[in-house]
Amino acid sequence: AQSVTQLGSHVSVSEGALVLLRCNYSSSVPPYLFWYVQYPNQGLQLLLKYTSAATLVKGINGFEAEFKKSETSFHLTKPSAHMSDAAEYFCAVKISGAGSYQLTFGKGTKLSVIP
Amino acid sequence: EAGVTQSPTHLIKTRGQQATLRCSPISGHTSVYWYQQALGLGLQFLLWYDEGEERNRGNFPPRFSGRQFPNYSSELNVNALELEDSALYLCASRDRVNTEAFFGQGTRLTVV
Repeated sequence: AQSVTQLGSHVSVSEGALVLLRCNYSSSVPPYLFWYVQYPNQGLQLLLKYTSAATLVKGINGFEAEFKKSETSFHLTKPSAHMSDAAEYFCAVKISGAGSYQLTFGKGTKLSVIP
Repeated sequence: EAGVTQSPTHLIKTRGQQATLRCSPISGHTSVYWYQQALGLGLQFLLWYDEGEERNRGNFPPRFSGRQFPNYSSELNVNALELEDSALYLCASRDRVNTEAFFGQGTRLTVV
């Protein structure tokens, strides 16, 4: 069964520092992977997706993620954190199967940005 | 283009009552997904509707039910509300071609 694990429920970085949010997946087949962001009291917004094309995926707001099959990882990075990046980030994997589509989410990582 | 819209934004109910939550998908999207986001429990998959049919449901009791209408909008019903049903309920929609799902802003259900 497909699943994702997000390492670190809470990450703090200084404004201007590198953001690294970790996600490892478990899948017996090539996965589709996603990163979503959730601002307080709002829904989820898609940041980026991996669908077996390029392994380095660029998303919105300067975020990118690299699919590494050997490490079963899909970590999210941003070179320079901004105060507006403070939010909760969710990694998700699409559960595959004939005719099925369903996302399984990690437990989320709350990002704090320190001025 | 309008995104996924959910109503109401907030809903307060008494234990034992029924709640009805509504979702309008993005135009052209045929699949609707419901998730529960309870404090400390992350996002839990509830229901998936596609072309008017229930395709899959998560590990929730039968008092959680729903339907999808011919215009692809959807309704989530929660009967016999319990205090632990208090959560943010998120709806997402997807079209037939693309892999990503787009989420609404959610309905905050509070059971008192």
